[in-house]
Amino acid sequence: EIVLTQSPGTLSLSPGERATLSCRASQSVSNTYLAWYQQKPGQAPRLLIYGASSRATGIPDRFSGSGSGTDFTLTISRLEPEDFAVYYCQQYGSSRTFGQGTKVEIK
Amino acid sequence: QVQLQESGPGLVKPSETLSLTCTVSGGSISSSVYYWGWIRQPPGRGLDWIGSIYYSGNTYYNPSLKSRVTISVDTSKNQFSLKLNSVTAADTAVYYCARHGTGYYGWFDPWGQGTLVTVSS
Repeated sequence: EIVLTQSPGTLSLSPGERATLSCRASQSVSNTYLAWYQQKPGQAPRLLIYGASSRATGIPDRFSGSGSGTDFTLTISRLEPEDFAVYYCQQYGSSRTFGQGTKVEIK
Repeated sequence: QVQLQESGPGLVKPSETLSLTCTVSGGSISSSVYYWGWIRQPPGRGLDWIGSIYYSGNTYYNPSLKSRVTISVDTSKNQFSLKLNSVTAADTAVYYCARHGTGYYGWFDPWGQGTLVTVSS
């Protein structure tokens, strides 16, 4: 099983700042089969990024994904108030596993 | 636009079987392109994929839950279902259903709103 480790656990930032979230895999993720999701309290996760770097429909361009192999990054270029949430990475190259999440909170 | 909706009991007793159904609307569950999956999230914790099913009935499960899980599909009702037996308090979670593709298209989207299942006597 591929284990995904996200860091940091919590990111305290102010609106307008840049957020950089990391997702590290215990073994290489095939063909960049990695997605990122955003989850707000009481809501289902929402797909942000698939294929490591492709934005899902309707996702603002301040969200970007990068990486390959075992190291992946989600970047939010300028945090908007609605971006404060928990973010999960998920790999689908070998079965399916999720990271434990990174909470982006208002500083 | 495809929508998914979970339904089922919100309270299950320990050692019994948890049963949930996901109803798909706005599209056919018999699409050759998609699988239909279950994911759960214990309170305050992260996401855990349970398993997935194709409209033909082909299934695959998370190895950690495989011995207790059965996922089935009813194409006539555009529904798929989850059964998890011998539940304990550790199975208390919000259960989501979601659609995913295969290979490059393997991400989960869309998701149902989720349903909380509590295991308690």
